[in-house]
Amino acid sequence: KQEVTQIPAALSVPEGENLVLNCSFTDSAIYNLQWFRQDPGKGLTSLLLIQSSQREQTSGRLNASLDKSSGRSTLYIAASQPGDSATYLCAVYGGAGSYQLTFGKGTKLSVIP
Amino acid sequence: DAGVIQSPRHEVTEMGQEVTLRCKPISGHNSLFWYRQTMMRGLELLIYFNNNVPIDDSGMPEDRFSAKMPNASFSTLKIQPSEPRDSAVYFCASRGQGAVEQYFGPGTRLTVT
Repeated sequence: KQEVTQIPAALSVPEGENLVLNCSFTDSAIYNLQWFRQDPGKGLTSLLLIQSSQREQTSGRLNASLDKSSGRSTLYIAASQPGDSATYLCAVYGGAGSYQLTFGKGTKLSVIP
Repeated sequence: DAGVIQSPRHEVTEMGQEVTLRCKPISGHNSLFWYRQTMMRGLELLIYFNNNVPIDDSGMPEDRFSAKMPNASFSTLKIQPSEPRDSAVYFCASRGQGAVEQYFGPGTRLTVT
C-alpha cells in the first residue's frame, strides 16, 4: 500500500527566505505526482502536476522536482511571502490511468512578515 | 467553467440525524471521487464513480455511508445515522475522460454534535 510522508509537519520562515518542502513515498511505481495548496477552511488548489516522464515543473516562484527512484519530491518556494502561508499537500497517482490518489498529511507553512 | 460545486458548504447536525452531501462535477467529466479529510488520517478516498457506476467503494467506512450518482452531473453522499466521529471535511473531485488530474470542490465541513 502506498504511503506518502511529508516532513516537517509545520514550518515557519521569515519573509523573503527560500524554502523547500519535502515529500516521500514508499512505492516508486507512481504515475504522476501533484502538489496542492490548502488555505484554512478552503478546498484544494492545484499548484504543480509532474508527470512520470518529467523530472520537474515550474510555475512562477514554485519549482517541484520528482525522483521516482528514490521515492522523493521537493517543492521549492523562492522569495517567500506572507501570502504563501498555507498547508501544502503532496499526492501521488497510482499506475497509468489509475484513480488511486494518495495524499500526505501536509506541511503547514507560516511566512512571517 | 464553475468548477466542482459542493453543497452545503457547512453542515451542523445532531448525532443520529441523516446527512446528505451534494456534488456537481465539472461538465463533461466522467469520473467522480468522494474524499474525507480529518486531522488524524488526512485525505482519504471514500468512493470512485466512473460513468456514473461505482467502481471502488472500499474506502467507505461503514454501512452508514452510501453514495449515489444518478446522472453525470450529480452525486450524493449520505450518512445515516450520523455520529460525532463522522465530523470532517468531505471533498468531491472530478476527472475528464482519459485524463489524470482530479479537480477538487471547495468541500463540505460536517460537524456532528
